[in-house]
Amino acid sequence: DQQVKQNSPSLSVQEGRISILNCDYTNSMFDYFLWYKKYPAEGPTFLISISSIKDKNEDGRFTVFLNKSAKHLSLHIVPSQPGDSAVYFCAASGDSGGGADGLTFGKGTHLIIQP
Amino acid sequence: GAVVSQHPSWVICKSGTSVKIECRSLDFQATTMFWYRQFPKQSLMLMATSNEGSKATYEQGVEKDKFLINHASLTLSTLTVTSAHPEDSSFYICSARDFHRGGYNEQFFGPGTRLTVL
Repeated sequence: DQQVKQNSPSLSVQEGRISILNCDYTNSMFDYFLWYKKYPAEGPTFLISISSIKDKNEDGRFTVFLNKSAKHLSLHIVPSQPGDSAVYFCAASGDSGGGADGLTFGKGTHLIIQP
Repeated sequence: GAVVSQHPSWVICKSGTSVKIECRSLDFQATTMFWYRQFPKQSLMLMATSNEGSKATYEQGVEKDKFLINHASLTLSTLTVTSAHPEDSSFYICSARDFHRGGYNEQFFGPGTRLTVL
């Protein structure tokens, strides 16, 4: 049973435009959310995160929005660049009493930036 | 900073043999490391949480006697796949949390190890 869902396996966006990647979760105990970028045969690279006490976090071209009531978050990349082409994973973790939790990942969205 | 390495990057072994994969945090100390597995076109699945100096915590469905985890120091965790079978072929990735850097649970991932069991 997928607790973190990325319903779009792939997304194609023109260079310079905004890329919006979506993620939904079902576990209300999740309180920290992260986005990772991954190339084939490599480990994920951390992009940006957000705590459940916030609804927006911005870092350069990347902005993550969190809608707790809808259990939905999204990653906005603007402007999109060719180097952004990769698989993007949404991940979530819950508070296990202060210790670090393993992450629950979605299946990923393959973002393709077209020139 | 926050670099995690894995060794080997790929390994091919015969069915029934054991394979050890190392995960090292190169520029920080990690009291907790995590082991994930990714099958083709699937998400990363958490296998176990590795705590320095204590026993690992395994996720439901992961056999602790088959996937032996040792976290002997603050910079090294090892995963040994014992009596490997073809269905164990997968991409194994470790991660580590640097408590002095990053957000609440920002984990830094290694490059992964591709295991193929013949």
